[in-house]
Amino acid sequence: AQKITQTQPGMFVQEKEAVTLDCTYDTSDPSYGLFWYKQPSSGEMIFLIYQGSYDQQNATEGRYSLNFQKARKSANLVISASQLGDSAMYFCAMRASGFQKLVFGTGTRLLVSP
Amino acid sequence: DSGVTQTPKHLITATGQRVTLRCSPRSGDLSVYWYQQSLDQGLQFLIQYYNGEERAKGNILERFSAQQFPDLHSELNLSSLELGDSALYFCASSGGTGGKAGNNEQFFGPGTRLTVL
Repeated sequence: AQKITQTQPGMFVQEKEAVTLDCTYDTSDPSYGLFWYKQPSSGEMIFLIYQGSYDQQNATEGRYSLNFQKARKSANLVISASQLGDSAMYFCAMRASGFQKLVFGTGTRLLVSP
Repeated sequence: DSGVTQTPKHLITATGQRVTLRCSPRSGDLSVYWYQQSLDQGLQFLIQYYNGEERAKGNILERFSAQQFPDLHSELNLSSLELGDSALYFCASSGGTGGKAGNNEQFFGPGTRLTVL
């Protein structure tokens, strides 16, 4: 079975600082993908970044980077230079090969203060 | 804008009633997924359709059913509604081109917020 664990219910960061949101996963499948989504208060789910299990390099997408440590089964999201608009819920998700569905963690609420 | 549309945006109904949620996937996407987001259960996968056929089932109640039509739009039918069915229902689609994660990315619609009174 696949499982995603996000242990930080809430995180606070000051504007312009970097923040790391933790995500650990569990799967016995050697081929899988890891995703991060952002959900602002308006409710929509916004795709941020993707890491494949066989990707050699950590994924980056603008101010977002994914710190992928395969042996530790962790896929932490790093947001550099936080902005007020980054305040939202952040979900880590996984998709194992052969399964199209996404399995989500419980989310981390990030609050960016001025 | 993800390109996935969902209607209605909000739905308020009473216990015991039946509702239909509608989803139009992104152009070119053959797969449609339905997810439920509630305070109790978090974000849960309900069901997937691929080109009109059911592909995978998750924690979908027997009172719920879905289908995907030849034009690829999908409907989620919820019947004998209970208070606990109040949630945000997302439709997502994948399989086409243009995503940052290739065909791995699922594009989410804005959701339908269902309130059962």
